[in-house]
Amino acid sequence: DQQVKQNSPSLSVQEGRISILNCDYTNSMFDYFLWYKKYPAEGPTFLISISSIKDKNEDGRFTVFLNKSAKHLSLHIVPSQPGDSAVYFCAAKRKEYGNKLVFGAGTILRVKS
Amino acid sequence: DTEVTQTPKHLVMGMTNKKSLKCEQHMGHRAMYWYKQKAKKPPELMFVYSYEKLSINESVPSRFSPECPNSSLLNLHLHALQPEDSALYLCASSHAKNEKLFFGSGTQLSVL
Repeated sequence: DQQVKQNSPSLSVQEGRISILNCDYTNSMFDYFLWYKKYPAEGPTFLISISSIKDKNEDGRFTVFLNKSAKHLSLHIVPSQPGDSAVYFCAAKRKEYGNKLVFGAGTILRVKS
Repeated sequence: DTEVTQTPKHLVMGMTNKKSLKCEQHMGHRAMYWYKQKAKKPPELMFVYSYEKLSINESVPSRFSPECPNSSLLNLHLHALQPEDSALYLCASSHAKNEKLFFGSGTQLSVL
């Protein structure tokens, strides 16, 4: 039973446009959410996070939105750049369980120039 | 130094072999992790060490044996593995209770 789901295996976007990556979760006890990015032959790298007490967090070109009632979060990348092409993983945790992250299966983003 | 170094990058082993995966970090992190990732699946947590003590074991079979000799090193000892254990094994580290994990590039393991 996947508690964190990324239903789009891949996404293709033109350079300069907005990329929107989506993530749904089933466990309402999750209270912290993260996005990681992974290039081929490298490990995932932390990108941005959001606590359940917020509905938006912004860091440069990256913004994460959280809709707790829908158990949905999204990552917006504006403007998209070819170097953003990678696999993006959504992850979630319950703070009281320490660093037990549950990952989604990932979405492959391709930014075309 | 913000790297987590994993060796070897690739490993092929038979079901009767004993091998070890190694992980090293020099960021002063006191939490270290082993994750397993199969193709097109999410990384799955196996073990967490906090201050050199095993704090989480996600019901991993005993043919996987973790070891944390010191705060910079994490090993995963492998014995009598099955072909279905073939996967990418990722090591990560973080400051204790900090969600920002730093991952190594992984060891791609094939069990024949």
